Amino acid sequence: EDKVVQSPLSLVVHEGDTVTLNCSYEVTNFRSLLWYKQEKKAPTFLFMLTSSGIEKKSGRLSSILDKKELFSILNITATQTGDSAVYLCAVVGSGGSNYKLTFGKGTLLTVNP
Amino acid sequence: EPEVTQTPSHQVTQMGQEVILRCVPISNHLYFYWYRQILGQKVEFLVSFYNNEISEKSEIFDDQFSVERPDGSNFTLKIRSTKLEDSAMYFCASSSDGDTQYFGPGTRLTVL
Repeated sequence: EDKVVQSPLSLVVHEGDTVTLNCSYEVTNFRSLLWYKQEKKAPTFLFMLTSSGIEKKSGRLSSILDKKELFSILNITATQTGDSAVYLCAVVGSGGSNYKLTFGKGTLLTVNP
Repeated sequence: EPEVTQTPSHQVTQMGQEVILRCVPISNHLYFYWYRQILGQKVEFLVSFYNNEISEKSEIFDDQFSVERPDGSNFTLKIRSTKLEDSAMYFCASSSDGDTQYFGPGTRLTVL
């Protein structure tokens, strides 16, 4: 059974801090790892990672994958109150045309002014 | 920017009643999914749909659940006889390649 473990489960920081969120996984036939941000309702897509060692970057957010050690990190620099959300890590395993996402429990990030 | 839409945003029903949750995926996508999230728990996979048939379903997706793509745009999830434990947020997602899945805003289902 595919498994995703995120840490920490929650984190409280002050605006301007840098945070690192962790995601480790076990999956059959790994295809990709995705990060989502969930504020009130739907998870919104942040990054998809398929190759080890290649950093994906979008503004203050960046992420990298280590396929040998089976983990990924999501970094947020110069945090803002608008970054407060649950950050979800999910993996895609494949078997034929089955590309389901297996999610972790998420990291609840609270950024205080 | 294209997005997945879902209706209704909130559905309240009595135990034993049938509900249909509706989704309009992004128009050129080929892979469709339903997930659910019980309050305080993680997002769980229910079913994937590709090439007009179910490609995978989870243990949760028992005989009470069914999915349909009745026309070229809608994708529906039907729960035949709702139970209290079906109360959750139901998310539809779609993808063009099976990897990057885009989620709709969800339908909150409350079973009384």
